[in-house]
Amino acid sequence: EDKVVQSPLSLVVHEGDTVTLNCSYEVTNFRSLLWYKQEKKAPTFLFMLTSSGIEKKSGRLSSILDKKELFSILNITATQTGDSAIYLCAVENTPNAGGTSYGKLTFGQGTILTVHP
Amino acid sequence: NAGVTQTPKFQVLKTGQSMTLQCAQDMNHNSMYWYRQDPGMGLRLIYYSASEGTTDKGEVPNGYNVSRLNKREFSLRLESAAPSQTSVYFCASRVTSGRALGQFFGPGTRLTVL
Repeated sequence: EDKVVQSPLSLVVHEGDTVTLNCSYEVTNFRSLLWYKQEKKAPTFLFMLTSSGIEKKSGRLSSILDKKELFSILNITATQTGDSAIYLCAVENTPNAGGTSYGKLTFGQGTILTVHP
Repeated sequence: NAGVTQTPKFQVLKTGQSMTLQCAQDMNHNSMYWYRQDPGMGLRLIYYSASEGTTDKGEVPNGYNVSRLNKREFSLRLESAAPSQTSVYFCASRVTSGRALGQFFGPGTRLTVL
């Protein structure tokens, strides 16, 4: 059974702090790992990672994947109150080993980040 | 483009009642998904449809049925609602060719079963 575990489950910081969110996984026929941000409503897509060691960056957010150790981290530098949200990690499998077909996503429990002014 | 739309936004049912949650996307995406989200449990996949005409069970399919009516629409049906199905339900879609950018989510349906 595919499994995704995020840590910490919750985190409280002050504006300007840097945070690191962790995601470890076990999945059959890994295809990609995705990060989402969820504020009050639906999750919004942040990053998709498919290759080890290649950092994805978007402003103050960055993420990297380690396929050998089966984990990913999401870094947020110079946090702002608007970064307060649930951050979700998900892994996607592919139906066939070595295939490129799209499979299903398995989500972790999420990390609740609260940034105080 | 409206993206992914869901109806209704809120619903209260009594135990044993049935209902259908509707989802539609106008992005010409091949794959569509239904999730439920409960506190502390992230998003759990109920059913998904990799392409028009196909559906597959996800992690928590019991008590639900789906229909991929056409490429745009993917509905979720609760035949006999139970309190354990109280949750927030999200529909999502994604393109499955070219450069994929992850799933796009609808705004969610908050369902309460009394």
